[in-house]
Amino acid sequence: DGGITQSPKYLFRKEGQNVTLSCEQNLNHDAMYWYRQDPGQGLRLIYYSQIVNDFQKGDIAEGYSVSREKKESFPLTVTSAQKNPTAFYLCASSRDTFNEQFFGPGTRLTVL
Amino acid sequence: QQQVKQSPQSLIVQKGGIPIINCAYENTAFDYFPWYQQFPGKGPALLIAIRPDVSEKKEGRFTISFNKSAKQFSLHIMDSQPGDSATYFCAARKGGSARQLTFGSGTQLTVLP
Repeated sequence: DGGITQSPKYLFRKEGQNVTLSCEQNLNHDAMYWYRQDPGQGLRLIYYSQIVNDFQKGDIAEGYSVSREKKESFPLTVTSAQKNPTAFYLCASSRDTFNEQFFGPGTRLTVL
Repeated sequence: QQQVKQSPQSLIVQKGGIPIINCAYENTAFDYFPWYQQFPGKGPALLIAIRPDVSEKKEGRFTISFNKSAKQFSLHIMDSQPGDSATYFCAARKGGSARQLTFGSGTQLTVLP
C-alpha cells in the first residue's frame, strides 16, 4: 500500500520540550515538504527537501529543524524556540518539485 | 504578504446547487494553479489544476475558470452533494527551481441535504 504516513496522529508536549514528528513515504519521491496549518490561514511551508541530504527553509522555518538522511524519511523537530507550536502539521511528497504533491494524514500537536 | 487571496471563508449551499470559490493572485510568476480538497482530520488531496494558457478545465463535476488578465481563478462544483462538504484550498506555484506552493486561506463548504 503506497503512500505517506505520519506519526503520531495526536501529540501533546509540555512547554520547553522539543518534539519530533515522523514522516515516511514509500512512493519513491525525491521531494518532501512540511507544512503547518492553522485555522483560517491555509497551509504555510516550513521546510522542503528536493533530494537526500539537502533541505531548504520555507516561509516559517524559525523554531523548526529537519533532516533528510534517507529518501523515504523527512522528520520535523519542533523546538522550544517555536513560540506558538500548537497546530496541525502536514507532510507531503512529490516525484520532484515539478509534479503534484501528495499529502499525509497530518499530526495534530498540542502544547500544554 | 498574502500572495493568494481566497473567498469566501465559508459557504453553505443546498444539494444540487453550484458553489463558486474565488481566488486572486498578485505574482505573475505563478504558472500552475491547483485546487485541493480537505476533509476534517485528513490531509489535502489534489482535486483539479490548471495552467495559465487555458481559460477553463473540467473534471467531472469540478470546473476551474481562469482569467489571466484579471489574475483570478475560481472553482465551480456542479450538482453539489453533501459528500462535497469539505474545506477547499486554492494554491499557486511559481516557475523556477524551487516551485513552492502558496496556498489560499481556505473555504469551508457545507452542502445541505
